[in-house]
Amino acid sequence: DADVTQTPRNRITKTGKRIMLECSQTKGHDRMYWYRQDPGLGLRLIYYSFDVKDINKGEISDGYSVSRQAQAKFSLSLESAIPNQTALYFCATSDSGYSGANVLTFGAGSRLTVL
Amino acid sequence: GENVEQHPSTLSVQEGDSAVIKCTYSDSASNYFPWYKQELGKGPQLIIDIRSNVGEKKDQRIAVTLNKTAKHFSLHITETQPEDSAVYFCAASWNNAGNMLTFGGGTRLMVKP
Repeated sequence: DADVTQTPRNRITKTGKRIMLECSQTKGHDRMYWYRQDPGLGLRLIYYSFDVKDINKGEISDGYSVSRQAQAKFSLSLESAIPNQTALYFCATSDSGYSGANVLTFGAGSRLTVL
Repeated sequence: GENVEQHPSTLSVQEGDSAVIKCTYSDSASNYFPWYKQELGKGPQLIIDIRSNVGEKKDQRIAVTLNKTAKHFSLHITETQPEDSAVYFCAASWNNAGNMLTFGGGTRLMVKP
């Protein structure tokens, strides 16, 4: 099984619908992240969490919310999806130690299309 | 905040040739520079990283160089093989407990057999 599992892998939805992307990990890492990938723009940070009670906005948090249900689970929600949220979304984890804090383990991605 | 520019956006080479991808960063406080490789249908995976106290690091056919004065760093792949075809991302950050990585826009490398 993958260290970081994302569901669904692909989703097509309509404008205005609520969407949840889920992420679970078996790495035992404290830190979890949600990134968005668009062509030419690299990976942009949406939200991150350093532990179960910690939630922080990233570079592009508008229109998104997250929930850290447990150390191993971190979900991303789009309350009312819009077409420009069409993208590839990645969940990632990292250790909290000094040498591992910036070493990210990514899931395989969730491709979201908003019509 | 940090800004990372990556060039070229696409790169096509013949198998066996070398490939070089370049990145520049804006924040002189950045001291950690990783490179990630994203194969088709998969998430990015760390392939090599360098910290600001060294100028070059090698791992078999890949190497990264860092010029802190000019604020740029590069990924070098020698003797390219078809399995090197992927999207490569550079990134930069302070390597402390709370700092996030800033990624470049990515380079799609195609190795032609």
